[in-house]
This record gives sequence, C-alpha cells and structure tokens, in this order.
Amino acid sequence: GQNIDQPTEMTATEGAIVQINCTYQTSGFNGLFWYQQHAGEAPTFLSYNVLDGLEEKGRFSSFLSRSKGYSYLLLKELQMKDSASYLCAVLDSNYQLIWGAGTKLIIKP
Amino acid sequence: IAGITQAPTSQILAAGRRMTLRCTQDMRHNAMYWYRQDLGLGLRLIHYSNTAGTTGKGEVPDGYSVSRANTDDFPLTLASAVPSQTSVYFCASSENGGTLTDTQYFGPGTRLTVL
Repeated sequence: GQNIDQPTEMTATEGAIVQINCTYQTSGFNGLFWYQQHAGEAPTFLSYNVLDGLEEKGRFSSFLSRSKGYSYLLLKELQMKDSASYLCAVLDSNYQLIWGAGTKLIIKP
Repeated sequence: IAGITQAPTSQILAAGRRMTLRCTQDMRHNAMYWYRQDLGLGLRLIHYSNTAGTTGKGEVPDGYSVSRANTDDFPLTLASAVPSQTSVYFCASSENGGTLTDTQYFGPGTRLTVL
C-alpha cells in the first residue's frame, strides 16, 4: 500500500528553527509537495521537490532524498502566524497526490 | 470571482437526502479534484477530472458522483447521504492534471454533517 508518515504534532518557540519530517512509500514518485493549512482554512502550496537536494524559499526550505523516501520542511525565524498544520503529499505513478495526515505545529512565545 | 469558490460553506443534512456541493474556478484550469478531509487522516481523493468532459475515480469514490460539463464547474453529488460522509470537502484545481510540477489550488471547503 501507499503510506506517508509525518509526526502528528510539534511544538517550537517563536524565533527558533523547526524541521518537520516526512517519509513515504508510494507506487512511483513524481514529486513531493508541502502545503500549509491554518485551522478551518484551505491548504495552500508551499513547495515542490522532484530532484534530490534542498530548495530554499525565504524562511522556508524543503529537502528531498528519493533513495531514502524522505523529505523535510525547515522553517526558520518562526513567527506566531506559522502555527498551522503542514501537509506532505507525494505525486504517485498515476499523477495522483497521496497525502500525509499532516503535522500540527504549535508556536509558543 | 477570484480563484476557487465552493458552496455551501456548511450544511447539516438528514441521512438519505441527496446533496450537491458546488465548485467553480475562474483560473481556466484544466484539472479539478474533490477531496474529503477527516480528523487524523490525510486528504483523500474522491473524484477528479483532467479536462472538461472527462472524470475519474479517486481513492474513495463510493457514494459520490461528479460531472464536468464545462471548464469552470465541478459539482459533487451525494445521491443518498450517510453519516460516514460527514467530513470537510475541498475542491481543488490545477493547470494540467497528470503532469509534473502541477500545483493544486484549493477552495475554502464545505463542512458537511450528515445526521
């Protein structure tokens, strides 16, 4: 079967750095997405990785290792508005997105 | 309209009733999707459409039907609602389904409760 694993919840301090991990086992791989979802709102796109390595976008970076079936999302200089769920999703061989259950990130002052 | 709209925002429905959730996008995207999101589970694909006039089944299609008569609209119908269909439903669209780097953009969601 297809499986995406992420921690259920993480807590971090305002101004700090946090890394959210995602491991996957899917039928095929055509890229990995990270989305942010604030409570009661729609998911919004953060990043896409299809090649190994680190992609940096401002305070957010995403890393991919295809051989290890592993990705992480790195958030720097955390702000209170970063409190949200972070969803990892893999585009499988049928070009359908398989979603993890999400990691709820709690930021404390 | 800007982006994707969904209606209604929320609905309480008696079991056995028929219900259509509406989704409209104004980005001229070819592909559209319906997901359900339940607590503790990832988003699950119900149905999708890669282009107007075509539809396909996702991971959890039973009890749901869709149509794609034009590019902009992608309604989801529950023919006879059951309590297990209580969920938050998200509609999404992307420029071209079935391709790399095809980012999906989501509507605000419909919160459906079936009693």
